[in-house]
Amino acid sequence: NAGVTQTPKFQVLKTGQSMTLQCAQDMNHEYMSWYRQDPGMGLRLIHYSVGAGITDQGEVPNGYNVSRSTTEDFPLRLLSAAPSQTSVYFCASRQQGTYGYTFGSGTRLTVV
Amino acid sequence: EDKVVQSPLSLVVHEGDTVTLNCSYEVTNFRSLLWYKQEKKAPTFLFMLTSSGIEKKSGRLSSILDKKELSSILNITATQTGDSAIYLCALFTRDDKIIFGKGTRLHILP
Repeated sequence: NAGVTQTPKFQVLKTGQSMTLQCAQDMNHEYMSWYRQDPGMGLRLIHYSVGAGITDQGEVPNGYNVSRSTTEDFPLRLLSAAPSQTSVYFCASRQQGTYGYTFGSGTRLTVV
Repeated sequence: EDKVVQSPLSLVVHEGDTVTLNCSYEVTNFRSLLWYKQEKKAPTFLFMLTSSGIEKKSGRLSSILDKKELSSILNITATQTGDSAIYLCALFTRDDKIIFGKGTRLHILP
């Protein structure tokens, strides 16, 4: 049972490049979310999904797109990377009716 | 317009001390309040609290929610160096979001 798997673990992008951060879970969790963590800022919600085909914006959605075509996968897309998007990104999932998120190990993204 | 405010932001104590971490919130209509511990990588779930006011305990950690004061505290007794971490408070809102505070960075000196 792998839990929540995020890839890649580290990434360096140039300003203006695009990329997709991958997130997959094998626990059949309905709810999935993407957070970014910056020093002194805690975890800020980017986008979340309550099930396949359903996504919604969180606190800081600008510059990011998501889709949820399957229960297992919830990729996060950066269309045109900016230095302000340098951060650690966490994907998390939970089962409907429960409160404890299972987090992935994070992706450290640097935009230069 | 922070909805979840944690204090202090940083705390340094000696091993064996007792610490109290605070979390206050503005949202009144929410499902539950959550506490997480984050060491080097991803946060791990500690407690879920509701407005029932029931205290939750796990070993040397305990937490309770004060509905009147719109706040929660996390107590750690007889601290150990392994308790050094960032402690995150979060609200599970009615529209299925989990919103985190900025965290309290706790450092335990041997």
